Amino acid sequence: EAGVTQFPSHSVIEKGQTVTLRCDPISGHDNLYWYRRVMGKEIKFLLHFVKESKQDESGMPNNRFLAERTGGTYSTLKVQPAELEDSGVYFCASSQDRAKAFFGQGTRLTVV
Amino acid sequence: AQKITQTQPGMFVQEKEAVTLDCTYDTSDPSYGLFWYKQPSSGEMIFLIYQGSYDQQNATEGRYSLNFQKARKSANLVISASQLGDSAMYFCAMSVHSSNTGKLIFGQGTTLQVKP
Repeated sequence: EAGVTQFPSHSVIEKGQTVTLRCDPISGHDNLYWYRRVMGKEIKFLLHFVKESKQDESGMPNNRFLAERTGGTYSTLKVQPAELEDSGVYFCASSQDRAKAFFGQGTRLTVV
Repeated sequence: AQKITQTQPGMFVQEKEAVTLDCTYDTSDPSYGLFWYKQPSSGEMIFLIYQGSYDQQNATEGRYSLNFQKARKSANLVISASQLGDSAMYFCAMSVHSSNTGKLIFGQGTTLQVKP
């Protein structure tokens, strides 16, 4: 069974540019989460989808971040325009029952 | 406020010995879950073990066990017979069930180095 897959694994962009991160959850998992770890700090929750609906987006830092989950399958997280403080590792996780969450390998975003 | 605290930024252990990674939590919710994840240098987050707040027994998964002390609000991870491949960062996390989202609150992480 395929795990949670994230693309790209690394991204280096200039300040002001746009970047889109993608997450493919485990097939059949209705719950999809985005988390972020900024250098030296703990992993923070960004938002939670149930199928295609945003259940909780209380962790989204500001309106430069836009998450979508088309058809309740894969999800994208767009940062536009990117700022230096957006650098970090972005994790996606999925779960079937909101208990055990399976994580992807993360996308390391560097904004220069 | 809900919070997870891992007070050990780094730990060393000799191969084949046991090691305990500390985790304390804070929540007023009576129903919650506690998790440990391993993050090797490759970056992925690997689920290790889960303990529910109402579980009577401590969780075990192979060489991993969770020392759950509810009154102390601690959920320490014990790794027995350490292996070189256990060298990684370890995160303790909590999910509060009243939120009904399953979102996780993480600690700062502990880096474990296993010495040959």
